[in-house]
Amino acid sequence: DAGVIQSPRHEVTEMGQEVTLRCKPISGHNSLFWYRQTMMRGLELLIYFNNNVPIDDSGMPEDRFSAKMPNASFSTLKIQPSEPRDSAVYFCASSLAGESQQYFGPGTRLTVT
Amino acid sequence: GESVGLHLPTLSVQEGDNSIINCAYSNSASDYFIWYKQESGKGPQFIIDIRSNMDKRQGQRVTVLLNKTVKHLSLQIAATQPGDSAVYFCAENIGSSASKIIFGSGTRLSIRP
Repeated sequence: DAGVIQSPRHEVTEMGQEVTLRCKPISGHNSLFWYRQTMMRGLELLIYFNNNVPIDDSGMPEDRFSAKMPNASFSTLKIQPSEPRDSAVYFCASSLAGESQQYFGPGTRLTVT
Repeated sequence: GESVGLHLPTLSVQEGDNSIINCAYSNSASDYFIWYKQESGKGPQFIIDIRSNMDKRQGQRVTVLLNKTVKHLSLQIAATQPGDSAVYFCAENIGSSASKIIFGSGTRLSIRP
């Protein structure tokens, strides 16, 4: 069982650059979540999808953030343009729809200089 | 507003003793309460959940207690081991879906040898 796969694991970029984070959920899971974790704000839900459809994006901080899920096995979170305050660990999680147990990936540590 | 918080940010426990991690919540309409464990450098890992119509639920070495009267949730870990060292988060679902959950700020559990 591969679990949730995220790439890259680390990303360092300069302010103003576009950043794309990738996620492959667990096969068979039909809900996918993107979270951001910082020391100041803790673990925040950014957006989640059910059956590839965005259900709630109220946690997306700004228009610079966008997320897509073109199929059941792939999702991206894009930041354009990136800013230093976007530096955080971004987690992707998946679950069976309607279940409270979510399976988290290892995260992508993003540093924007 | 809706929020999930923790009484203690850090907890130090002697190896072999029982650990109790506490959490307060404010949303009386939540149906699910969940505990996650996050080890350093990893994503959160589901431990146990409890529905609002229950007062207690037991797992392997862990017990979750729910007191709806005072809106209090606790996680008890029996015979704490070095591998239990982590940050523990309580979380609650928001709205009618079990999927959308918000996380508390976390409690760091450290084990003394």
